[in-house]
Amino acid sequence: KQEVTQIPAALSVPEGENLVLNCSFTDSAIYNLQWFRQDPGKGLTSLLLIQSSQREQTSGRLNASLDKSSGRSTLYIAASQPGDSATYLCAVRDRGSTLGRLYFGRGTQLTVWP
Amino acid sequence: NAGVMQNPRHLVRRRGQEARLRCSPMKGHSHVYWYRQLPEEGLKFMVYLQKENIIDESGMPKERFSAEFPKEGPSILRIQQVVRGDSAAYFCASSPAQMSGNTIYFGEGSWLTVV
Repeated sequence: KQEVTQIPAALSVPEGENLVLNCSFTDSAIYNLQWFRQDPGKGLTSLLLIQSSQREQTSGRLNASLDKSSGRSTLYIAASQPGDSATYLCAVRDRGSTLGRLYFGRGTQLTVWP
Repeated sequence: NAGVMQNPRHLVRRRGQEARLRCSPMKGHSHVYWYRQLPEEGLKFMVYLQKENIIDESGMPKERFSAEFPKEGPSILRIQQVVRGDSAAYFCASSPAQMSGNTIYFGEGSWLTVV
């Protein structure tokens, strides 16, 4: 059974710092991996989706990498801003599983203070 | 194009009552997924439905929980005889089809509190 772990559970940094959030998964036979953002009391917003054949994806100040063989992904946030404060969730879709069946980590709660 | 709509956003039920959570998928989406987020835990898959069909319910608790997605109207997650352990955020997501590379789109959740 796939298990997804995110480290650290919480992170508090001053504005402007570059950050790395970590995600690991136990079964490397994945279809894709996705990073989401969740604001308090809100739903999930997809940030980046990496297919199993890809090594990384970039969107603005965000860069996500994937090392499938070692079961790891990192989300890099450049020049962090207070508006980046949220919980970041990593989710994997296993090979052979349906599109919407994702395995989530518990998230990293990020606080960026001015 | 409205996103995934869930209602109610917040629901309070006494132990033993029934809770009904509704989800309207994005326009053009025919696949619906329900997830549950318990306090201090990650989101857990519950069920995957298409119109009038349950495709995968392997994440649903064996008792008291049921889900449907009728031909007309929203998908409904029904919890009978609620207990305090059912208190959680319930998220609905939708997608257009089983296409590779597609993400799924989440609603803003329904927060159930059992008192």
